[in-house]
Amino acid sequence: SFVLTQPPSVAVAPGETARITCEGDNLGTAVLNWYQQRPGRAPRVVIYFDRDRPSGIPERFSGSTSANTGTLTINRVEAGDEADYYCQVWDDSSDELVFGGGTKLTVL
Amino acid sequence: QVQLQESGPGLVKPSETLSLLCSVSGDFLYTDYWTWIRRPPGKGLEWIGYVHDSGSTKYNPSLKSRVTMSVDKSKSQFSLNLRSVIAADTAIYYCARVTEVGILNSYYYYVDVWGKGTSVTVSS
Repeated sequence: SFVLTQPPSVAVAPGETARITCEGDNLGTAVLNWYQQRPGRAPRVVIYFDRDRPSGIPERFSGSTSANTGTLTINRVEAGDEADYYCQVWDDSSDELVFGGGTKLTVL
Repeated sequence: QVQLQESGPGLVKPSETLSLLCSVSGDFLYTDYWTWIRRPPGKGLEWIGYVHDSGSTKYNPSLKSRVTMSVDKSKSQFSLNLRSVIAADTAIYYCARVTEVGILNSYYYYVDVWGKGTSVTVSS
């Protein structure tokens, strides 16, 4: 089964680029989804299937994967991007959802 | 456009059963997997389980012995029952939809619709 590891926190200044990583063995065999959860709000998907962006999500958000690491990149970070971000996969071997531990993005 | 709304008690006593309902408005026909996810205070998201449109279920192994989920398409609702609750079950509970997308010979999944969440406290 998958275990997804994220850094607990990332901090960047407004206008800079934030990169949030998600590591897991055999991650290359699955597709990665990313969710944003602002304080007091329900999560929402910002990237699905490694790199697809839902309508309404700014182009500043992008996803990529390489070997056992997935990365959510947020360009030109804004104060409104401050949130918890979670990576997630569907484990085909068990048909279960697996979430990473989450990363708190702080905009300085 | 599908919208989800959780309902249920905000306070449950230890050892009792937590029962939540999720009401689905909008298009219920093209469903995939109806799921429950929770977030305990100070912790991250935890997948609880899902019920498929067909009625089949899958639960998080860590909660499997205490969880039951079901779907009632006639009422456009699905439910969560969590038995023998303890303080550690205190959390915000979200109902959500997992969409399945077939691409070539593979299927891919992501959570595309979420309810607003309902806060549940386990305390005597």
